[in-house]
Amino acid sequence: QSVLTQPPSVSAAPGQKVTISCSGSSSNIGNNFVSWYQQFPGTAPKLLVYENSKRPSAIPDRFSGSKSGTSATLGITGLQTGDEADYYCGTWDSSLSVGVFGTGTKVTVL
Amino acid sequence: EVQLVQSGAEVKEPGESLKISCRGSGYSFFSHWIGWVRQMPGKGLEWMGIIYPTDSNTIYSPSFRGQVTISVDKSINTAYLQWSSLKASDTAIYYCARRIKWDLLQDSFDPWGQGTLVTVSS
Repeated sequence: QSVLTQPPSVSAAPGQKVTISCSGSSSNIGNNFVSWYQQFPGTAPKLLVYENSKRPSAIPDRFSGSKSGTSATLGITGLQTGDEADYYCGTWDSSLSVGVFGTGTKVTVL
Repeated sequence: EVQLVQSGAEVKEPGESLKISCRGSGYSFFSHWIGWVRQMPGKGLEWMGIIYPTDSNTIYSPSFRGQVTISVDKSINTAYLQWSSLKASDTAIYYCARRIKWDLLQDSFDPWGQGTLVTVSS
């Protein structure tokens, strides 16, 4: 069972915005950097956000990350059908001394 | 181009051993932790462990410690994940991925290998 909790699914119409939450604790999100990954069916995950809010150069600025306390959020603006995928948060847990992933969120474009 | 290329799909019977590989290229293999992640059918990502190629320092998730062995061969820029006795519950896709930061507290992976499907069935 993951120590990071995400909503199972979120949805919105094309062009709209969705936000995905990732809830943890002081031993993980509260004191360490958060990353976000995108995974399409049958493919490997891809890094979208690291260090809470930084994006690799190839990731469009429609994707944004933020963190407050023991929760983190991924935002996707200008939603496109090509954004339909599973999204995972991840961080280090200092109490467990291991990395942890969130439970995953499926984004559906209506 | 930074790339991780994994070995191909495997079909094994319960009790058999297995070693899958992950070869890095396009970067200094010694300077980045390599991690392994499990994804069981229809399920989420599970952090298994990481290894630092320079000194083979390895950190396992408690869920996987004693169940698998992570190793590395620096001479050929390759990391491995192995089982001594597979179980049906080991059926999953296994991904390797490069940690982008040396600092343990910064747990971000990029890029990822293409994944290796391991099927354990009698």
